[in-house]
Amino acid sequence: AAGVIQSPRHLIKEKRETATLKCYPISRHDTVYWYQQGPGQDPQFLISFYEKMQSDKGSIPDRFSAQQFSDYHSELNMSSLELGDSALYFCASSYKPTGVDTQYFGPGTRLTVL
Amino acid sequence: QKEVEQDPGPLSVPEGAIVSLNCTYSNSAFQYFMWYRQYSRKGPELLMYTYSSGNKEDGRFTAQVDKSSKYISLFIRDSQPSDSATYLCAMSANSQGAQKLVFGQGTRLTINP
Repeated sequence: AAGVIQSPRHLIKEKRETATLKCYPISRHDTVYWYQQGPGQDPQFLISFYEKMQSDKGSIPDRFSAQQFSDYHSELNMSSLELGDSALYFCASSYKPTGVDTQYFGPGTRLTVL
Repeated sequence: QKEVEQDPGPLSVPEGAIVSLNCTYSNSAFQYFMWYRQYSRKGPELLMYTYSSGNKEDGRFTAQVDKSSKYISLFIRDSQPSDSATYLCAMSANSQGAQKLVFGQGTRLTINP
């Protein structure tokens, strides 16, 4: 079965520009998570959606917003980009019909802000 | 102090050795414990998943959870050079809806041929 798909895989932006990252979850998965991983760091939770509603929010800057659409894909919108936003952005998806919440990660989008 | 502590290594062992990776945590609400393997510039790949305390075995991999000590382990038997990667422990609490994962720092493992 196809895994989590993220696009684009690489993105280069200038400071103060905007960026949109897309995530397509595994088929039937209804939950999407976004994580940010800086160089040499562990992934940090940003935000999650369950059945198209925001479920939890982590250390996500106010400059970032996200949503989940009717087909369960999700987009992370990042505005007024800063140099410190350069990182790997991972999307993960899960299906939790019985309370088990095993998250499967996509390949990530590498964002470089110049 | 981080909720999940993991020795970042690096850890270097000869091929065929038994590898032990460990994490400790402070949040007693954690119910789900996972181990992910991450190759350089790739997404984390789910290796093992355990609910609550106990052991789970899958091929050369064994995951152990001791909730009384807030300590989890991953053992790799007959280690191979292809096992060289960063291993991340991750945990989540049990509740309705989505539950974020809290990761350890990751341990960089190298298996030498």
